[in-house]
Amino acid sequence: KAGVTQTPRYLIKTRGQQVTLSCSPISGHRSVSWYQQTPGQGLQFLFEYFSETQRNKGNFPGRFSGRQFSNSRSEMNVSTLELGDSALYLCASSLGTRGNIQYFGAGTRLSVL
Amino acid sequence: DQQVKQNSPSLSVQEGRISILNCDYTNSMFDYFLWYKKYPAEGPTFLISISSIKDKNEDGRFTVFLNKSAKHLSLHIVPSQPGDSAVYFCAASPLDGNEKLTFGTGTRLTIIP
Repeated sequence: KAGVTQTPRYLIKTRGQQVTLSCSPISGHRSVSWYQQTPGQGLQFLFEYFSETQRNKGNFPGRFSGRQFSNSRSEMNVSTLELGDSALYLCASSLGTRGNIQYFGAGTRLSVL
Repeated sequence: DQQVKQNSPSLSVQEGRISILNCDYTNSMFDYFLWYKKYPAEGPTFLISISSIKDKNEDGRFTVFLNKSAKHLSLHIVPSQPGDSAVYFCAASPLDGNEKLTFGTGTRLTIIP
């Protein structure tokens, strides 16, 4: 069974640009969550999508948005990039019901110059 | 407001000995707890979980203990092996079925051969 796939693995952008990251969940998983990891901050929850609807949202500005498609694949978009957006962005998939384990992809490393 | 805290940023343990990683939480709404292990350039890998109806869960060399009254959990690894060297994150989710995981900032475990 294939794991969670994130593309691209690495990205370099400049301030003010926008970026789109992609996540393909494990087959059969309907929930996709996105997290941001920065040094010393652990993993911060961005949002969660379930059956194409945003079900939960973290405390990030509106520049961070996402969507989920009918095949459960998800994209995350960051507009007007800032230097502080440089981070590892991780997506996790699960069945989406109570107590299910979230399985993570390898992440996309975003560097904003 | 750090709702899940891992107060030890790093820990070194001799191979073959017991590794004990600690985690404290402040939100009494958390009722499901997980431990993840993370190697550099990879996503977090699920290790073990525990529901608040239990106080202990074992899986091979890994045991998680939960003390609800103290809002404290710990992960025991026995015996410790060199391949256990990684960053360990504890995570928690609440009673309301919300998929959002709140992570600690991680503990870097180094196993000394």
